[in-house]
Amino acid sequence: DAGVTQSPTHLIKTRGQQVTLRCSPISGHKSVSWYQQVLGQGPQFIFQYYEKEERGRGNFPDRFSARQFPNYSSELNVNALLLGDSALYLCASRQPGTGTYEQYFGPGTRLTVT
Amino acid sequence: RKEVEQDPGPFNVPEGATVAFNCTYSNSASQSFFWYRQDCRKEPKLLMSVYSSGNEDGRFTAQLNRASQYISLLIRDSKLSDSATYLCVVDEGGGADGLTFGKGTHLIIQP
Repeated sequence: DAGVTQSPTHLIKTRGQQVTLRCSPISGHKSVSWYQQVLGQGPQFIFQYYEKEERGRGNFPDRFSARQFPNYSSELNVNALLLGDSALYLCASRQPGTGTYEQYFGPGTRLTVT
Repeated sequence: RKEVEQDPGPFNVPEGATVAFNCTYSNSASQSFFWYRQDCRKEPKLLMSVYSSGNEDGRFTAQLNRASQYISLLIRDSKLSDSATYLCVVDEGGGADGLTFGKGTHLIIQP
């Protein structure tokens, strides 16, 4: 079975631009979460979506937004990019209601803002 | 503020040795606990969940002490392939707040 997939793998943008990152969860998983990981740090939680609704949000500015589609895939949008947005953006999926909270990560999108 | 604290290392350990990592968490209401492994420039991969009674998976043993808000990971008979960053991870409950990660402990197994 395919794991979590993300696209693109790498992206270079300039300050002020906008970016959209995409994620497809493991088949059968209905919950998708987004994380930002800067070099030398652990991942930081950005959003969680379940059944197309936002269920949780981390401490990120309104420049960050996301949505989930009927097929449970998801997009993360970041507007007005700053140099500090350069990071590895990770998507994770899990299946709520199974009694566990284990999340499985995709390979990430490495965003560089110049 | 929810925090997970780990010793960043690096831990330099000879092949075949036993190594232990510790981690503390600040939110006493936390419900689920995990260890993830992350190789350089790769995504975190779930190593094991941590249960109150402690659990073992081959050479790996995880322990949880809720009273002290402390999680540990023990690796026995370490292999070169165990070299990675080990992330201590806490879920405050239900997944809606996302997972809270420590900064990771860097392990280097030396031949």
